[in-house]
Amino acid sequence: GQNIDQPTEMTATEGAIVQINCTYQTSGFNGLFWYQQHAGEAPTFLSYNVLDGLEEKGRFSSFLSRSKGYSYLLLKELQMKDSASYLCAVRDPSNYQLIWGAGTKLIIKP
Amino acid sequence: DAEITQSPRHKITETGRQVTLACHQTWNHNNMFWYRQDLGHGLRLIHYSYGVQDTNKGEVSDGYSVSRSNTEDLPLTLESAASSQTSVYFCASSGETGDEQYFGPGTRLTVT
Repeated sequence: GQNIDQPTEMTATEGAIVQINCTYQTSGFNGLFWYQQHAGEAPTFLSYNVLDGLEEKGRFSSFLSRSKGYSYLLLKELQMKDSASYLCAVRDPSNYQLIWGAGTKLIIKP
Repeated sequence: DAEITQSPRHKITETGRQVTLACHQTWNHNNMFWYRQDLGHGLRLIHYSYGVQDTNKGEVSDGYSVSRSNTEDLPLTLESAASSQTSVYFCASSGETGDEQYFGPGTRLTVT
C-alpha cells in the first residue's frame, strides 16, 4: 500500500528553526515534493528531491534519505507568514502521479 | 502572466443535481489534474489528463467525469451530486509529466 506520514500540527516561535518530517512507505519512488498551503489558498511548490541529501533554497531546505523512506523540510528564521500547512508528496514511478500526505499545520507564535 | 483559474469559487447545490466545475489554464500545459481536499486527508486525485482527448481515472473517480477538448480546459462534472462530495476541489497543471504542479485557487462545493 501507499502511506505517507506527517505530524498533524507543530508550533514554533518567530525567528527560530523548525523541522517538519515526512516518512513514506510506497510501492515505488520517483521523487518527493514539498508544498506550502496557506489557509484557504492553493498549494504552492517549495522543493523537490530525487537524490539523497540536502537541497537548500533560501530560508527553506529539504532533505531526503531514500533508504530510510524519510524526508524533512527545514525552515530557518521563522516569520509569521510561514504559518501554513506543509504538504509532502511522493511521485509514483508507475504513473508519475503524486501521492500526498495529509499535511502538517505549522503555527508560528511571536 | 500565465495562470490557472477555477470557477465558481463557491457553490452550493442539492443532492442529485449535476454540477460542473470549470478549470482554465494559460500555461499551455499538457497535463491537468483534479483533486479534492478534505480535512484529515491529503489531496486525493480524481481524474487527470495528459493532453487533448486523453483522460484517466484517479484514486477517487466514482461519481465524477472529465473531458478534454482543448489544451486550456478540463471541466469536472459531478453526475449526481452526493453529500459525500462536499469538499474543496483543486485543479492543477504541469508542463512535463512528473514536474511540479501549479494549482488553481480552488472551488468550495457544498452539497445539501
